[in-house]
Amino acid sequence: RKEVEQDPGPFNVPEGATVAFNCTYSNSASQSFFWYRQDCRKEPKLLMSVYSSGNEDGRFTAQLNRASQYISLLIRDSKLSDSATYLCVVNMNTGFQKLVFGTGTRLLVSP
Amino acid sequence: DADVTQTPRNRITKTGKRIMLECSQTKGHDRMYWYRQDPGLGLRLIYYSFDVKDINKGEISDGYSVSRQAQAKFSLSLESAIPNQTALYFCATSGAGGGTDTQYFGPGTRLTVL
Repeated sequence: RKEVEQDPGPFNVPEGATVAFNCTYSNSASQSFFWYRQDCRKEPKLLMSVYSSGNEDGRFTAQLNRASQYISLLIRDSKLSDSATYLCVVNMNTGFQKLVFGTGTRLLVSP
Repeated sequence: DADVTQTPRNRITKTGKRIMLECSQTKGHDRMYWYRQDPGLGLRLIYYSFDVKDINKGEISDGYSVSRQAQAKFSLSLESAIPNQTALYFCATSGAGGGTDTQYFGPGTRLTVL
């Protein structure tokens, strides 16, 4: 089983749609969770951290389910500019900040 | 100006050549990392350094070496490049302490080994 698994997509949605991505992780001791965004051939950039209670940043909502070991990202009112690959990232809590990156879920928002 | 810079941005080389990729940062961070990204595999950690005197292997360090010349500089070398080292290489930095520090990435170096 991969340490961090994501559906690669692509998810094709129209502008204004709501879309959700899920990610599962294998290490139950993991403590920190993130969503990064990566545009084509560019560097990954932090989109948001994921907290136990869930958190929201504008149109983006992240949720954590420790019992089932998955995290989710919900994007409301999709914009064309949201088209990108979304990377699920987990800190495996192995004594240093070892981040394990999922392979990413590609989102395409069309007019 | 970018906080994390990488040079070169693109490089094509031949099998057996020695290659150095350089990374500089102005964020004042102690921790620096080198990753490679391959299609379908995600980012994988090659080496990481917590300060100038602390360098550690990541999950795929074979065939690579690093040098931390200063707090702000971290170089990755391929002593004898081979075609399966063709990939997109990213340098990243983070502040010290805690598992929640964000990693900031450089723009990447696209390396092709023929």
